[in-house]
Amino acid sequence: AQTVTQSQPEMSVQEAETVTLSCTYDTSESDYYLFWYKQPPSRQMILVIRQEAYKQQNATENRFSVNFQKAAKSFSLKISDSQLGDAAMYFCAYRSPDNYGQNFVFGPGTRLSVLP
Amino acid sequence: GAVVSQHPSWVICKSGTSVKIECRSLDFQATTMFWYRQFPKQSLMLMATSNEGSKATYEQGVEKDKFLINHASLTLSTLTVTSAHPEDSSFYICSGARLSTEAFFGQGTRLTVV
Repeated sequence: AQTVTQSQPEMSVQEAETVTLSCTYDTSESDYYLFWYKQPPSRQMILVIRQEAYKQQNATENRFSVNFQKAAKSFSLKISDSQLGDAAMYFCAYRSPDNYGQNFVFGPGTRLSVLP
Repeated sequence: GAVVSQHPSWVICKSGTSVKIECRSLDFQATTMFWYRQFPKQSLMLMATSNEGSKATYEQGVEKDKFLINHASLTLSTLTVTSAHPEDSSFYICSGARLSTEAFFGQGTRLTVV
């Protein structure tokens, strides 16, 4: 079974600075999908970024980018120019592809604080 | 992104009564719906996975007779907490997904059983 680990329960960053959240996972599959979700105080889960394992190029979405190291099974999230609205719980998630009903495996989360 | 609407957003019920939570995918057809429970400051705990038109698959330790899940169509899934007790008080979240895509989450339901 796949597992997702986020080793940083809490992180903080100064506004306008850059922060990196780490995520590692364990799988025997060669093809899969990885995601970062954000859960602000409203508790609405919001997709931040998505990465297909077969793509070597790291995904980017505006201020958010990932460092995907497939061999190391690492999937870190970099937030540039941090804003107060980035403060939230961040969850790393794994999903197997093309498997009807396949579940998402979530990490334990990292709580990010943004300091003004 | 796609929208999943979940309601009610919060509900208070008396012990022993049943509560139904609805989850609708508004602009896409969700082949799979997931139901999660989230305790304070913790990650999402999967309760069950439901595919349209078939019975839900429950995770170990989740009572299927207590947490009834129905996925009658590609756009609607419901979770009914039967004979609710205070220990069932929690935050419940649904999500919908298609094959090989990200999941889209509802707003969540805060259930308080008194």
